[in-house]
Amino acid sequence: GDSVTQMEGPVTLSEEACLTINCTYTATGYPSLFWYVQYPGEGLQLLLKATKADDKGSNKGFEATYRKETTSFHLEKGSVQVSDSAVYFCALRNSNYQLIWGAGTKLIIKP
Amino acid sequence: DADVTQTPRNRITKTGKRIMLECSQTKGHDRMYWYRQDPGLGLRLIYYSFDVKDINKGEISDGYSVSRQAQAKFSLSLESAIPNQTALYFCATSAATRREQFFGPGTRLTVL
Repeated sequence: GDSVTQMEGPVTLSEEACLTINCTYTATGYPSLFWYVQYPGEGLQLLLKATKADDKGSNKGFEATYRKETTSFHLEKGSVQVSDSAVYFCALRNSNYQLIWGAGTKLIIKP
Repeated sequence: DADVTQTPRNRITKTGKRIMLECSQTKGHDRMYWYRQDPGLGLRLIYYSFDVKDINKGEISDGYSVSRQAQAKFSLSLESAIPNQTALYFCATSAATRREQFFGPGTRLTVL
């Protein structure tokens, strides 16, 4: 079945460090791919998305490129801030219009 | 004002009790979802509804039931709560023609 695998956390970085959170997927067809972010005590909110191969989603300095050849959608940011501390979820939308979620990666940014 | 609201935000209950979690939305979306979140497991879909007359089981529907009272309201019930239903529960909505889901703030449920 369809699945999403993302790197385990927590990931701890210093402010202004570079970030990569890996995400790979297994799915039939051409799923849409998403990154959601969950700040402490809040619900999830969409961070960025990509709907076809080679698309790049970007928002708030974060980027992710839909790589069909490697079935990946890694989340990157060049310089993280303390305010980026949150849990990040990779997800795909399959042919049944359901969202399949990764387990989440907790990101901790230290000043 | 929040577009997707959930009540209660926190609930502690005992094994065997009946619990209802409520979700309301002002986004005008047709589709609504209930998820549970457990540490290290991400989100798992419990039930979803594409309109008032359409209810579908998700990945983990056993032990749960739902009611879509109106386009804007979607309730989740635990008929007889058990400790392994302790989790964070999220309601979400989406428009029929778009792919993004919008989440409520969550309900933290503890079953003792």
